[in-house]
Amino acid sequence: DTGVSQNPRHKITKRGQNVTFRCDPISEHNRLYWYRQTLGQGPEFLTYFQNEAQLEKSRLLSDRFSAERPKGSFSTLEIQRTEQGDSAMYLCASSLVEGQGYTQYFGPGTRLTVL
Amino acid sequence: EDQVTQSPEALRLQEGESSSLNCSYTVSGLRGLFWYRQDPGKGPEFLFTLYSAGEEKEKERLKATLTKKESFLHITAPKPEDSATYLCAVQAGSSTTGKLIFGQGTTLQVKP
Repeated sequence: DTGVSQNPRHKITKRGQNVTFRCDPISEHNRLYWYRQTLGQGPEFLTYFQNEAQLEKSRLLSDRFSAERPKGSFSTLEIQRTEQGDSAMYLCASSLVEGQGYTQYFGPGTRLTVL
Repeated sequence: EDQVTQSPEALRLQEGESSSLNCSYTVSGLRGLFWYRQDPGKGPEFLFTLYSAGEEKEKERLKATLTKKESFLHITAPKPEDSATYLCAVQAGSSTTGKLIFGQGTTLQVKP
C-alpha cells in the first residue's frame, strides 16, 4: 500500500489554458474526494465519488471544473479556461466506509499556479 | 451551518514547553472529529479520529480529547520536528458523503 498519489505535483499555466490533474487512491478504497486549499486556509470540499458515481459537488465547483472516476479507480479533475483565482493546492483523499466514521487519507497534492 | 474554528492561528513554543491547541465546532450531529498534521507543501497526514464526547487518543507526544463543543490537541514536551500546521475537521452526521469541514489550522513552531 503506497498511499494516495497525485500527478503532477506542480503545474504552472497561463490564464485561459486547460489543465488536468490525476489522483490514484489507496487500492480498494471506494470513496474518493477532491478538496482545494489556498494559502493559510484549511482544505475546502469540491466533490465526492463513491466507486464511479459522482454523488456530490460543492457550489465551489463552477462549470469550468469537471471530475471523473472511470471504472471506480483513478480520478481526474479538469479545469477549463483557468483563471488566476484557480491558483491553489488541489488535494485528493480516499477512504473506506468503516463504522461510525470515514477516515480520509490525503495525497501530496497538486500545486496549481495560474499566471 | 456546520463550522470549525481553531485557535490560536499561530503558536510558538520552546522545545519542551507543553501546550494545547483548540478546535471549536458547530455541526448537525457529529459523526467524527479528525486531526491532521500538514507540513509545508504537502498533503495533510492523518493523526486521530474521535467519535464521542469523553474520548481520548494518544500518539507519542500528542493527545487528542473531545467534548460536545470542542476538541483539544495537547502537545507534551514538544520537539522541533513537531513544527507543522495542525488541522481539525469534522464530519456531520447529516452528510451521506462523509465530506470533511476543516478549520483554518494552527501553525506550530517549536524552537530548540
